[in-house]
Amino acid sequence: AQSVAQPEDQVNVAEGNPLTVKCTYSVSGNPYLFWYVQYPNRGLQFLLKYITGDNLVKGSYGFEAEFNKSQTSFHLKKPSALVSDSALYFCAVRHTSGGSYIPTFGRGTSLIVHP
Amino acid sequence: NAGVMQNPRHLVRRRGQEARLRCSPMKGHSHVYWYRQLPEEGLKFMVYLQKENIIDESGMPKERFSAEFPKEGPSILRIQQVVRGDSAAYFCASSRDSQTSTDTQYFGPGTRLTVL
Repeated sequence: AQSVAQPEDQVNVAEGNPLTVKCTYSVSGNPYLFWYVQYPNRGLQFLLKYITGDNLVKGSYGFEAEFNKSQTSFHLKKPSALVSDSALYFCAVRHTSGGSYIPTFGRGTSLIVHP
Repeated sequence: NAGVMQNPRHLVRRRGQEARLRCSPMKGHSHVYWYRQLPEEGLKFMVYLQKENIIDESGMPKERFSAEFPKEGPSILRIQQVVRGDSAAYFCASSRDSQTSTDTQYFGPGTRLTVL
């Protein structure tokens, strides 16, 4: 079984400040981890993924995420938030041990960046 | 290179009618996934298809819902005898090759179904 938790329904941050959107996971074996962003009335857009290698993954729009195996976390970060980053963010995990590789998505975290 | 296409973007049906949602995957992608998104509930997997085959339908309700991905044409998610609880956003995603578990899914803009 695999699962993802995004413990915060909403994150508020001032423009220019660093932001963190949290994600923890549970999966048997090694995980593959993904972050997606969803703007209002739009589909999900791929931001970045962790497969293997360097624990710090860089993605689109200046976002990065850090894989921490001991804490089973994959938090999304950005050094300086923009108002245009305001959106819904989803973390997803896939197991690597066979099957149809269907990812499990978290419930999403609404990021609000204040001017 | 066009992304994943879904139509219609908005669909209104009365209770008891049928809803047909279409999805054309990205060029070069042969794997299609359907998800349902309800407010406050995140994204729920429904079904995974390859051309002419249903690979995993573990998230699909047993009644009234069906999906297909024919050899030619888009994938279709069909909901028969819709009820108000079917109102949601339905998203389609595609990938090049799901057998490579690192493969990324790319999502369409979604179809927002409203059942009156």
